[in-house]
Amino acid sequence: AQKVTQAQTEISVVEKEDVTLDCVYETRDTTYYLFWYKQPPSGELVFLIRRNSFDEQNEISGRYSWNFQKSTSSFNFTITASQVVDSAVYFCALSVSHAGGTSYGKLTFGQGTILTVHP
Amino acid sequence: GAVVSQHPSWVICKSGTSVKIECRSLDFQATTMFWYRQFPKQSLMLMATSNEGSKATYEQGVEKDKFLINHASLTLSTLTVTSAHPEDSSFYICSGRKEDTQYFGPGTRLTVL
Repeated sequence: AQKVTQAQTEISVVEKEDVTLDCVYETRDTTYYLFWYKQPPSGELVFLIRRNSFDEQNEISGRYSWNFQKSTSSFNFTITASQVVDSAVYFCALSVSHAGGTSYGKLTFGQGTILTVHP
Repeated sequence: GAVVSQHPSWVICKSGTSVKIECRSLDFQATTMFWYRQFPKQSLMLMATSNEGSKATYEQGVEKDKFLINHASLTLSTLTVTSAHPEDSSFYICSGRKEDTQYFGPGTRLTVL
């Protein structure tokens, strides 16, 4: 079975601060995907990134960056120079990527981290 | 990315009535769609996996006779909440899978009076 833990329930920062959202996962599968989604107050989940378990390269996209470390089973997300529009709930999720079996394609979500960025 | 729509975005109904929610993949074909339920300030709970042309697979504890799922085409899945009761009030979200990534619809807020 898979498990995703986001230990930070809520984070509050002031605009322009950097903030890191932690994600730790558990799985016995050797091939899997890790994801981050953003859920703004409107409710729609917005896909941010997908990372394959074989690809430990860190990724940067604008003010967003992700640090994937298999040794610690972590997939942390950093927002640099945060903005008010970054205020949302952020979910880390995992899915196994091998076809077949009952868990294929299903997402296991963390509990989410509520990020509030104050002006 | 990929775009998924849901209709309606919100619905209010009386206890005992049935409500149908549509989930459409607008710019891709989704062999598999997923239905989730989300309570306030909680994470998403997977209800069922919807496969085009076959019966849906329900998660443990989800009543298949109460939450009817139909996936008749590669771009449309429907969830019907039958004989809705106030405890069914929730935020229902669907997703379509494209290339191992799930893309989510905007959600449907159901309120049962």
